Amino acid sequence: QVQLVESGGGVVQPGRSLRLSCAASGFTFSSYSFNWVRQSPGKGLEWVADISLDGSQTYYADSVKGRFTTTTDNSKNTVFLQMNSLRADDTAVYFCAREPLHARGLFDYWGQGTLVTVSS
Amino acid sequence: DIQMTQSPSTLSASVGDRVTITCRASQSINNWLAWYQQKPGRAPKLLIYKGSSLESGVPSRFSGSGSGTDFTLIISSLQPDDFATYYCQQYDHYPRTFGQGTKVDFK
Repeated sequence: QVQLVESGGGVVQPGRSLRLSCAASGFTFSSYSFNWVRQSPGKGLEWVADISLDGSQTYYADSVKGRFTTTTDNSKNTVFLQMNSLRADDTAVYFCAREPLHARGLFDYWGQGTLVTVSS
Repeated sequence: DIQMTQSPSTLSASVGDRVTITCRASQSINNWLAWYQQKPGRAPKLLIYKGSSLESGVPSRFSGSGSGTDFTLIISSLQPDDFATYYCQQYDHYPRTFGQGTKVDFK
């Protein structure tokens, strides 16, 4: 079955960096595009970034552009989110989500999320 | 950015009720509209895509309709498992944007 498992969250000081991972299984990883979506405590959902199936195209929300980078490693079936210059308002649960083959921008499977807390 | 506005923000209902949630986009999104259900501490779950297509495995009491800028999610007969928060999302343009959510709770 399709599984996405995020890891790498934790408590980090403002200005520092963190790298999240999303390990995928149960499907052909290299055939799909992936996204990151975050949810601040008690708040709604905010799209963060996506990466195309071949890793050649990435898009970012303005709120993270220039600070966050998403990549994939097909040999490890893993998506990464490198987060630099973290700010307090980056505090959130970060989900990775898969796009189905028939629709870019739609999210058919999600991981359970990993919590990032930015605090001094 | 395309703004997605859901109403109501909170909806109190009973088991068996017909529930209607609306979502309005700030510009046309060509039916590239999805609905998700989220329960506390869980990831969102895809219910409806392309405005009205039911995701595989989702009960038929869920339905979606609409076009252009105005969309509706209907739960025909609310079940105990349906008490949750519902989000609409447009995937016609970048950045992908979500509505603020509609919490369905017990009356």
